Amino acid sequence: EAAVTQSPRNKVTVTGGNVTLSCRQTNSHNYMYWYRQDTGHGLRLIHYSYGAGNLQIGDVPDGYKATRTTQEDFFLLLELASPSQTSLYFCASSERGNEQYFGPGTRLTVL
Amino acid sequence: AQKVTQTQTSISVVEKTTVTMDCVYETRDSSYFLFWYKQTASGEIVFLIRQDSYKKENATVGHYSLNFQKPKSSIGLIITATQIEDSAVYFCAMRDFASSGSWQLIFGSGTQLTVMP
Repeated sequence: EAAVTQSPRNKVTVTGGNVTLSCRQTNSHNYMYWYRQDTGHGLRLIHYSYGAGNLQIGDVPDGYKATRTTQEDFFLLLELASPSQTSLYFCASSERGNEQYFGPGTRLTVL
Repeated sequence: AQKVTQTQTSISVVEKTTVTMDCVYETRDSSYFLFWYKQTASGEIVFLIRQDSYKKENATVGHYSLNFQKPKSSIGLIITATQIEDSAVYFCAMRDFASSGSWQLIFGSGTQLTVMP
């Protein structure tokens, strides 16, 4: 059974729309991460958290909010989506910042 | 600044041979952790293997092993007896302690491996 799940797996929205990407982990890990992956840029860290209620800013946070509601659940929010946010989004979890375990990814298209 | 560099953008090998993918890193820390990941064509990202800097032995998991050369700040990934399904993008990563007081990974840009029959 997959330990990190993401929903939805695919999402299409329009410019200015609101989008929420969800991530759940059953690893009992304290750290959770949101990345985006674009051709030519590799994996870029958006936001991360080391526990419920905690939020840390990553390298490319502009246009994104995140919230960690429980140990298991981490959400990424795009309140005014733009075409530049069209990307493949990954969630990951880790214990004490060691090896990360990734979800299957969410492909987001902003028209 | 902490940095991870993979200079090989793509490698092609024939099935059942051995391949080495290079990775060099820059760190200010005396103790650190290095990782390799595989991203398949379907997009799935899988953790493969880890090297702790204080360990002298090279890590090995299945047909993956590491060539850890600490004086050269180098951590190569060796895949022996390659198979078609090893075709993927391989990322090197290093654990970094951010100024916020929490852990994150710094990733290299990846190496595309193609294994041919």
